[in-house]
Amino acid sequence: QKEVEQNSGPLSVPEGAIASLNCTYSDRGSQSFFWYRQYSGKSPELIMFIYSNGDKEDGRFTAQLNKASQYVSLLIRDSQPSDSATYLCAVSRYSSASKIIFGSGTRLSIRP
Amino acid sequence: DAGVIQSPRHEVTEMGQEVTLRCKPISGHDYLFWYRQTMMRGLELLIYFNNNVPIDDSGMPEDRFSAKMPNASFSTLKIQPSEPRDSAVYFCASSLVDRKGWMYFGPGTRLTVT
Repeated sequence: QKEVEQNSGPLSVPEGAIASLNCTYSDRGSQSFFWYRQYSGKSPELIMFIYSNGDKEDGRFTAQLNKASQYVSLLIRDSQPSDSATYLCAVSRYSSASKIIFGSGTRLSIRP
Repeated sequence: DAGVIQSPRHEVTEMGQEVTLRCKPISGHDYLFWYRQTMMRGLELLIYFNNNVPIDDSGMPEDRFSAKMPNASFSTLKIQPSEPRDSAVYFCASSLVDRKGWMYFGPGTRLTVT
């Protein structure tokens, strides 16, 4: 079993709709959860992080965490073509920056 | 700040040759990470340093790989001898302990071993 699992996609969503990306993790001791976005041929960039159960909103992005179910999700509202990218879920056992493990990513395509 | 700097951006080498990848983290950052990305295996953590000290190298594939951080502004990842299966994009990233996981990635080095 992989430590962090994501559906590879591609996930195709019409422009203006809500894109929902999901991630599960195996280590119950995980404390920090991240979503990175990676455009084709570019390096990953952090877009959201969450530490506590519940929702965290930042602009059009909402991260959701359910530690009991070992489940993290990312919602993108009012999807734009510029949101087309691979979204990487990442998990860390520690509360600091150390040893962050990535999932294989979900490729998201926003169709006009 | 210029961000994380990696060199070279592209490297093509023949099997058996030594390869050295270089990284300059963002000034003041106290964590440095080396990751490798392939289509098959995704983004894998190879090794990370805290204040120039290697903390966890359990992701280093085998003894052919070694990493050093002689000072706060420079790190190297060396592969000797290189093999075709080492072909990947190698990323260096840095962060601050109080930014809790906000890693800044470099542009990556695309390594091709023929």
